[in-house]
Amino acid sequence: GAVVSQHPSWVICKSGTSVKIECRSLDFQATTMFWYRQFPKQSLMLMATSNEGSKATYEQGVEKDKFLINHASLTLSTLTVTSAHPEDSSFYICSARDHGIQYFGPGTRLLVL
Amino acid sequence: AQSVSQHNHHVILSEAASLELGCNYSYGGTVNLFWYVQYPGQHLQLLLKYFSGDPLVKGIKGFEAEFIKSKFSFNLRKPSVQWSDTAEYFCAVTFPYGNNRLAFGKGNQVVVIP
Repeated sequence: GAVVSQHPSWVICKSGTSVKIECRSLDFQATTMFWYRQFPKQSLMLMATSNEGSKATYEQGVEKDKFLINHASLTLSTLTVTSAHPEDSSFYICSARDHGIQYFGPGTRLLVL
Repeated sequence: AQSVSQHNHHVILSEAASLELGCNYSYGGTVNLFWYVQYPGQHLQLLLKYFSGDPLVKGIKGFEAEFIKSKFSFNLRKPSVQWSDTAEYFCAVTFPYGNNRLAFGKGNQVVVIP
């Protein structure tokens, strides 16, 4: 099946700094990628839909200025958590769609101190 | 609003027992249906999918699911589980709007006791 990678797999940062997470589709091109957040023992919460070459579509309640998404190529989308705070600590997962199926990355665990 | 429901969040069973996880969605039109599995410490993997055709679909690792349109259901089954099936299972549905994004159920945490 299609493979999606994420980098880094985990990151620890100080409050107030910005963190960039990369999501790549390794063996296919994806015009649409998705960013999720997963809280412990809960399901995935969709944050935004990333469309190559255009602005991302954010879900209600997600601050677009806080979670910057860039989808500059058909194989790369980035999520930047700006001015991170402890409440932003979470597990962030990206997904890329290929022929109607979403494939998921391994996730990035963010801890903001 | 359209939604995906999974019941019995925690399921504990012994090896060789049969497993059935329920999934229901609320939408009267055409949908695509998926089951994903997340093993401990691993990422979400596609278990099986239904787009059209035979409503009984077979996936990896001996899992199968049956789409019953009249019941808006897509239940997952495995006749005989193994310890390695311990994982979280998510039902997901794409509705034909909103860029066809996936809507997830809350998941079933399945623990298989050796």
